[in-house]
Amino acid sequence: NAGVMQNPRHLVRRRGQEARLRCSPMKGHSHVYWYRQLPEEGLKFMVYLQKENIIDESGMPKERFSAEFPKEGPSILRIQQVVRGDSAAYFCASSPLGLKNIQYFGAGTRLSVL
Amino acid sequence: GESVGLHLPTLSVQEGDNSIINCAYSNSASDYFIWYKQESGKGPQFIIDIRSNMDKRQGQRVTVLLNKTVKHLSLQIAATQPGDSAVYFCAESQGAQKLVFGQGTRLTINP
Repeated sequence: NAGVMQNPRHLVRRRGQEARLRCSPMKGHSHVYWYRQLPEEGLKFMVYLQKENIIDESGMPKERFSAEFPKEGPSILRIQQVVRGDSAAYFCASSPLGLKNIQYFGAGTRLSVL
Repeated sequence: GESVGLHLPTLSVQEGDNSIINCAYSNSASDYFIWYKQESGKGPQFIIDIRSNMDKRQGQRVTVLLNKTVKHLSLQIAATQPGDSAVYFCAESQGAQKLVFGQGTRLTINP
Protein backbone atom coordinates (compact mmCIF):
# COMPACT_ATOMS: atom_id res chain seq x y z
CA ASN A 1 0.00 0.00 0.00
CA ALA A 2 2.01 2.93 -1.29
CA GLY A 3 1.95 6.18 0.60
CA VAL A 4 1.46 9.64 -0.79
CA MET A 5 3.73 10.02 -3.79
CA GLN A 6 5.12 13.36 -4.83
CA ASN A 7 7.31 14.16 -7.77
CA PRO A 8 9.69 15.50 -8.54
CA ARG A 9 11.53 15.46 -5.21
CA HIS A 10 13.66 18.37 -6.27
CA LEU A 11 12.86 20.98 -8.87
CA VAL A 12 15.06 23.83 -10.03
CA ARG A 13 13.57 26.67 -12.03
CA ARG A 14 14.78 30.04 -13.23
CA ARG A 15 12.76 33.13 -12.50
CA GLY A 16 9.83 33.43 -14.88
CA GLN A 17 9.55 29.72 -15.61
CA GLU A 18 6.66 27.48 -14.62
CA ALA A 19 6.76 24.82 -11.91
CA ARG A 20 4.47 21.80 -11.88
CA LEU A 21 4.33 19.68 -8.75
CA ARG A 22 2.50 16.36 -8.76
CA CYS A 23 0.87 14.42 -5.98
CA SER A 24 -0.73 10.99 -6.04
CA PRO A 25 -2.75 10.37 -2.86
CA MET A 26 -2.83 7.14 -0.96
CA LYS A 27 -5.08 4.50 -2.45
CA GLY A 28 -8.66 5.08 -1.43
CA HIS A 29 -8.10 8.68 -0.33
CA SER A 30 -10.28 11.30 -1.92
CA HIS A 31 -9.06 14.42 -0.09
CA VAL A 32 -5.84 16.17 -1.08
CA TYR A 33 -4.16 19.09 0.67
CA TRP A 34 -1.17 21.18 -0.34
CA TYR A 35 1.10 22.92 2.18
CA ARG A 36 4.19 25.08 1.84
CA GLN A 37 7.10 25.04 4.27
CA LEU A 38 9.90 27.55 4.51
CA PRO A 39 13.14 26.53 6.30
CA GLU A 40 12.80 26.33 10.08
CA GLU A 41 9.08 27.05 9.91
CA GLY A 42 5.85 25.13 10.19
CA LEU A 43 3.71 24.07 7.28
CA LYS A 44 1.27 26.62 5.90
CA PHE A 45 -1.96 25.47 4.32
CA MET A 46 -2.47 26.37 0.68
CA VAL A 47 -5.40 24.46 -0.80
CA TYR A 48 -7.78 21.57 -0.14
CA LEU A 49 -9.24 19.59 -3.02
CA GLN A 50 -11.47 16.65 -3.66
CA LYS A 51 -11.83 15.01 -7.03
CA GLU A 52 -12.59 17.74 -9.59
CA ASN A 53 -13.42 20.25 -6.85
CA ILE A 54 -11.52 22.93 -4.98
CA ILE A 55 -12.95 22.97 -1.47
CA ASP A 56 -10.78 25.59 0.23
CA GLU A 57 -8.14 27.71 -1.46
CA SER A 58 -7.86 30.32 1.27
CA GLY A 59 -4.11 29.78 1.56
CA MET A 60 -3.31 30.16 -2.11
CA PRO A 61 -1.70 33.36 -3.36
CA LYS A 62 -4.11 35.25 -5.57
CA GLU A 63 -1.87 35.23 -8.59
CA ARG A 64 0.38 32.68 -10.35
CA PHE A 65 -0.70 29.70 -8.21
CA SER A 66 -3.31 27.16 -9.17
CA ALA A 67 -4.22 23.62 -8.20
CA GLU A 68 -6.31 20.83 -9.60
CA PHE A 69 -7.28 17.28 -8.76
CA PRO A 70 -8.76 15.75 -11.91
CA LYS A 71 -11.00 12.73 -12.07
CA GLU A 72 -8.09 10.70 -13.36
CA GLY A 73 -4.46 11.25 -12.48
CA PRO A 74 -2.55 13.07 -9.78
CA SER A 75 -3.22 16.40 -8.17
CA ILE A 76 -1.16 19.22 -9.69
CA LEU A 77 0.10 22.37 -8.02
CA ARG A 78 1.12 24.84 -10.69
CA ILE A 79 3.20 27.95 -10.14
CA GLN A 80 3.53 30.28 -13.08
CA GLN A 81 6.32 32.82 -13.55
CA VAL A 82 8.17 31.67 -10.46
CA VAL A 83 10.05 34.16 -8.32
CA ARG A 84 12.80 33.56 -5.75
CA GLY A 85 10.28 33.86 -2.93
CA ASP A 86 8.55 30.73 -4.20
CA SER A 87 11.56 28.66 -3.14
CA ALA A 88 10.27 26.29 -0.46
CA ALA A 89 9.29 22.73 0.25
CA TYR A 90 5.80 21.89 -0.97
CA PHE A 91 4.04 19.02 0.74
CA CYS A 92 0.97 17.17 -0.32
CA ALA A 93 -1.21 15.24 2.12
CA SER A 94 -4.18 12.99 1.62
CA SER A 95 -6.90 11.69 3.87
CA PRO A 96 -9.82 9.32 3.52
CA LEU A 97 -13.44 10.25 3.97
CA GLY A 98 -14.47 10.43 7.60
CA LEU A 99 -14.61 12.58 10.67
CA LYS A 100 -11.01 12.10 11.66
CA ASN A 101 -8.70 14.32 9.70
CA ILE A 102 -5.50 12.32 9.82
CA GLN A 103 -3.57 13.64 6.88
CA TYR A 104 -0.77 11.51 5.54
CA PHE A 105 2.06 13.44 3.96
CA GLY A 106 4.32 12.80 1.04
CA ALA A 107 8.05 13.42 1.09
CA GLY A 108 7.62 16.82 -0.52
CA THR A 109 8.98 18.68 -3.53
CA ARG A 110 11.78 21.08 -2.86
CA LEU A 111 11.56 23.96 -5.29
CA SER A 112 14.58 26.15 -5.85
CA VAL A 113 14.22 29.27 -7.96
CA LEU A 114 17.45 30.66 -9.35
CA GLY B 1 -6.99 34.66 13.37
CA GLU B 2 -6.38 31.04 14.14
CA SER B 3 -2.94 30.18 15.38
CA VAL B 4 -1.15 27.31 16.96
CA GLY B 5 2.12 28.00 18.73
CA LEU B 6 4.70 26.21 20.76
CA HIS B 7 6.26 27.32 24.03
CA LEU B 8 9.81 26.20 23.24
CA PRO B 9 11.56 26.10 19.90
CA THR B 10 14.22 23.58 21.03
CA LEU B 11 14.36 20.81 23.56
CA SER B 12 17.39 18.78 24.54
CA VAL B 13 17.01 15.62 26.64
CA GLN B 14 19.16 12.75 27.78
CA GLU B 15 18.68 9.41 26.12
CA GLY B 16 16.31 7.35 28.21
CA ASP B 17 14.60 10.32 29.82
CA ASN B 18 11.04 11.36 29.09
CA SER B 19 10.38 14.28 26.77
CA ILE B 20 7.50 16.72 27.01
CA ILE B 21 6.72 18.99 24.10
CA ASN B 22 4.12 21.69 24.59
CA CYS B 23 1.74 23.48 22.29
CA ALA B 24 -0.77 26.30 22.74
CA TYR B 25 -3.70 26.85 20.45
CA SER B 26 -6.06 29.78 20.19
CA ASN B 27 -9.08 28.53 18.26
CA SER B 28 -11.57 27.20 20.78
CA ALA B 29 -13.65 25.82 17.90
CA SER B 30 -10.94 23.33 16.93
CA ASP B 31 -12.12 19.81 17.60
CA TYR B 32 -9.20 17.71 16.44
CA PHE B 33 -5.49 17.84 17.21
CA ILE B 34 -2.57 15.96 15.77
CA TRP B 35 1.11 15.60 16.51
CA TYR B 36 3.54 15.08 13.66
CA LYS B 37 7.22 14.23 13.62
CA GLN B 38 9.39 15.57 10.82
CA GLU B 39 12.89 14.33 10.21
CA SER B 40 15.33 16.26 8.10
CA GLY B 41 14.46 16.13 4.41
CA LYS B 42 11.25 14.20 4.95
CA GLY B 43 7.54 14.88 5.15
CA PRO B 44 5.64 15.05 8.45
CA GLN B 45 4.89 11.66 9.93
CA PHE B 46 1.71 11.11 11.95
CA ILE B 47 2.37 10.27 15.61
CA ILE B 48 -0.87 10.51 17.52
CA ASP B 49 -4.15 12.40 17.48
CA ILE B 50 -6.84 13.40 19.93
CA ARG B 51 -10.35 14.72 19.62
CA SER B 52 -11.63 17.58 21.72
CA ASN B 53 -13.96 15.32 23.71
CA MET B 54 -10.94 13.57 25.21
CA ASP B 55 -8.29 14.69 27.72
CA LYS B 56 -5.68 12.04 27.16
CA ARG B 57 -4.71 9.45 24.63
CA GLN B 58 -1.87 6.97 24.71
CA GLY B 59 0.07 5.26 21.98
CA GLN B 60 3.26 3.32 21.88
CA ARG B 61 5.69 5.32 24.07
CA VAL B 62 3.71 8.51 23.40
CA THR B 63 0.91 10.23 25.25
CA VAL B 64 -1.02 13.31 24.20
CA LEU B 65 -2.73 15.48 26.79
CA LEU B 66 -5.35 18.07 25.97
CA ASN B 67 -6.35 20.84 28.37
CA LYS B 68 -9.21 22.71 26.78
CA THR B 69 -9.52 25.13 29.67
CA VAL B 70 -6.17 26.72 28.91
CA LYS B 71 -6.04 25.60 25.27
CA HIS B 72 -2.91 23.57 25.77
CA LEU B 73 -1.69 20.40 24.15
CA SER B 74 1.33 18.34 25.07
CA LEU B 75 3.18 15.35 23.69
CA GLN B 76 5.01 13.08 26.08
CA ILE B 77 7.59 10.66 24.76
CA ALA B 78 8.70 7.98 27.19
CA ALA B 79 12.27 6.67 27.32
CA THR B 80 13.50 8.94 24.55
CA GLN B 81 15.70 7.26 21.96
CA PRO B 82 18.15 8.68 19.40
CA GLY B 83 15.62 7.94 16.68
CA ASP B 84 13.24 10.39 18.29
CA SER B 85 15.44 13.30 17.21
CA ALA B 86 13.30 15.41 14.89
CA VAL B 87 11.11 18.49 14.75
CA TYR B 88 7.70 17.96 16.31
CA PHE B 89 4.65 19.87 15.18
CA CYS B 90 1.23 20.13 16.69
CA ALA B 91 -1.67 20.89 14.38
CA GLU B 92 -5.34 21.63 14.84
CA SER B 93 -8.37 21.38 12.62
CA GLN B 94 -12.13 21.63 12.56
CA GLY B 95 -13.63 18.60 10.89
CA ALA B 96 -12.22 17.49 7.56
CA GLN B 97 -10.57 20.80 6.91
CA LYS B 98 -7.14 22.31 6.69
CA LEU B 99 -4.59 21.72 9.40
CA VAL B 100 -3.11 24.73 11.16
CA PHE B 101 0.44 23.93 12.20
CA GLY B 102 2.56 25.38 14.96
CA GLN B 103 6.14 26.51 14.48
CA GLY B 104 7.65 23.25 15.67
CA THR B 105 9.98 22.10 18.43
CA ARG B 106 13.34 20.59 17.61
CA LEU B 107 14.06 17.66 19.88
CA THR B 108 17.68 16.61 20.27
CA ILE B 109 18.83 13.59 22.22
CA ASN B 110 22.04 13.63 24.23
CA PRO B 111 23.82 10.28 24.59
